[in-house]
Amino acid sequence: GENVEQHPSTLSVQEGDSAVIKCTYSDSASNYFPWYKQELGKGPQLIIDIRSNVGEKKDQRIAVTLNKTAKHFSLHITETQPEDSAVYFCAASKGNFNKFYFGSGTKLNVKP
Amino acid sequence: NAGVTQTPKFQVLKTGQSMTLQCAQDMNHEYMSWYRQDPGMGLRLIHYSVGAGITDQGEVPNGYNVSRSTTEDFPLRLLSAAPSQTSVYFCASSYRGPQETQYFGPGTRLLVL
Repeated sequence: GENVEQHPSTLSVQEGDSAVIKCTYSDSASNYFPWYKQELGKGPQLIIDIRSNVGEKKDQRIAVTLNKTAKHFSLHITETQPEDSAVYFCAASKGNFNKFYFGSGTKLNVKP
Repeated sequence: NAGVTQTPKFQVLKTGQSMTLQCAQDMNHEYMSWYRQDPGMGLRLIHYSVGAGITDQGEVPNGYNVSRSTTEDFPLRLLSAAPSQTSVYFCASSYRGPQETQYFGPGTRLLVL
């Protein structure tokens, strides 16, 4: 199956700074890469996703980049705010395969 | 529209006991799945279903059983609980499959003694 590795496991930034979380995947056939945010005591929630025919996608302060050749994708959060503090998960799946593989998560702490 | 609901929120079991974790969605989603979340390991897929009457195994299916008799409900059964099954369990659903937005329930925290 797919193997998704995520780094770092914890990330602490000052409010207003940028945060970058990186993931690598093993299966070159994977073509869908979402990012989920999990707040304490809640289920994960989709914040942004990217498909393999696109190199970058942006939604306000968050962006995701994908490098298919290197098999890695990254989440970028600019102008971080305390409410961005949460655990972030990357994931990967491929089109004709009904499974979904998550990275191990990054705990982001934004200090006011 | 309640989204994805899970019951119970918290459960304590003794080794060898069985129980069913309930999951329901009211969005008419075809795809439903169960994950377990353990510290440092992210979410791992236990079982999934692509529609009523159709289920299949994920990464970590041993010790768990599922069925899907209706579109709305996807219960997860622990046949004989073991301490290794202590975890937080999440149910998720999407319209057709894993390449669409997954809507997660609030989770069930399970402690097996």
